[in-house]
Amino acid sequence: QQQVKQSPQSLIVQKGGISIINCAYENTAFDYFPWYQQFPGKGPALLIAIRPDVSEKKEGRFTISFNKSAKQFSLHIMDSQPGDSATYFCAAPDGTASKLTFGTGTRLQVTL
Amino acid sequence: DADVTQTPRNRITKTGKRIMLECSQTKGHDRMYWYRQDPGLGLQLIYYSFDVKDINKGEISDGYSVSRQAQAKFSLSLESAIPNQTALYFCATSDRRDRLLTGLETQYFGPGTRLLVL
Repeated sequence: QQQVKQSPQSLIVQKGGISIINCAYENTAFDYFPWYQQFPGKGPALLIAIRPDVSEKKEGRFTISFNKSAKQFSLHIMDSQPGDSATYFCAAPDGTASKLTFGTGTRLQVTL
Repeated sequence: DADVTQTPRNRITKTGKRIMLECSQTKGHDRMYWYRQDPGLGLQLIYYSFDVKDINKGEISDGYSVSRQAQAKFSLSLESAIPNQTALYFCATSDRRDRLLTGLETQYFGPGTRLLVL
């Protein structure tokens, strides 16, 4: 069964700063590695995802970096904004690839 | 996502009671999931269903059961609720055709049900 370790558990960043969240997985990579974003009182929603055949994917201020040999991937939020304050989950496919194993989540707070 | 609805949104029950949480979707997806969220533990998979006749246990299925009444409906039951089952419960859906078209299979989550077992 896929295991995913996510760090840090919580993060406080000043507005305009860079937020970095890390994840490590144990088993062999499959199709893709997604990041989900969850605002208080809402369900998680897909933020960005990366395929294991590329080392980086950028969408606006959000970038995923992927290191296949180290079995690690990270989320970078550039120019962090108060509206980015949320809980972020990384995930890795498990076996059938439709079943995801989620990390324990990182609660990000962006201060003014 | 308004296409995935969960009822009730909040529920308080007593130890030993049987309760049912319901999930409905209008996205036309074939796959549905039930997760439990606890602070510091992330999202843990309880059960999942890849079609109406396919039900599978997740990592924490003990004390729970599910029913896939139709492609659009997936219910989670707590047979005899205990305080340890106090948590936030999420239903999610996905479409297997997504991976063929986009290379990844996005899961779409409902708004959640907050359950308190006294």
